[in-house]
Amino acid sequence: ILNVEQSPQSLHVQEGDSTNFTCSFPSSNFYALHWYRWETAKSPEALFVMTLNGDEKKKGRISATLNTKEGYSYLYIKGSQPEDSATYLCAFMGADGLTFGKGTHLIIQP
Amino acid sequence: ETGVTQTPRHLVMGMTNKKSLKCEQHLGHNAMYWYKQSAKKPLELMFVYSLEERVENNSVPSRFSPECPNSSHLFLHLHTLQPEDSALYLCASSQEGLASQETQYFGPGTRLLVL
Repeated sequence: ILNVEQSPQSLHVQEGDSTNFTCSFPSSNFYALHWYRWETAKSPEALFVMTLNGDEKKKGRISATLNTKEGYSYLYIKGSQPEDSATYLCAFMGADGLTFGKGTHLIIQP
Repeated sequence: ETGVTQTPRHLVMGMTNKKSLKCEQHLGHNAMYWYKQSAKKPLELMFVYSLEERVENNSVPSRFSPECPNSSHLFLHLHTLQPEDSALYLCASSQEGLASQETQYFGPGTRLLVL
């Protein structure tokens, strides 16, 4: 069983503040790392797919970095807005397929 | 909208009932997936279909029976379920299937309660 850990489990952030959270995964047999955003009662929505060590991806105020040698990825949100409230999932693609973390539940407080 | 729809969105069933979950994708993808999310657990892959052939079955009990009649539709037939099968069941699709860089597009899920 692969260990994909996300921390923190939940996070309350003041509107306008920036925040980040972590996904850690096995550093061996790495194929890709996916980030998804999942709003309540909606479908998980793909944010990024990252494959190379040192990759950085950006989408508006959200960005992500990847370190495959040490097995972690960070997701950053700059200037949080209420619409950023969601659960953020990472998923590790290795030799045995896709393994999801439990997610970080982010709540933006006005 | 992700282009993947699921029906019903909510389902309550008894342990002796037979029901089916339906998933439809409008993206022209060749691969479809069933996932289960139980409370406090991560998404768990149940089944993968690629070009209507089952390519993965992650040790799922036989009371869950998938069916993929064509590349746009995926069903999950349920019979004699247990209360611990209560969960959110998510369907997803992707272009080819299990390729590392492929994004999966998810439906909104069916919330299942087994009494």
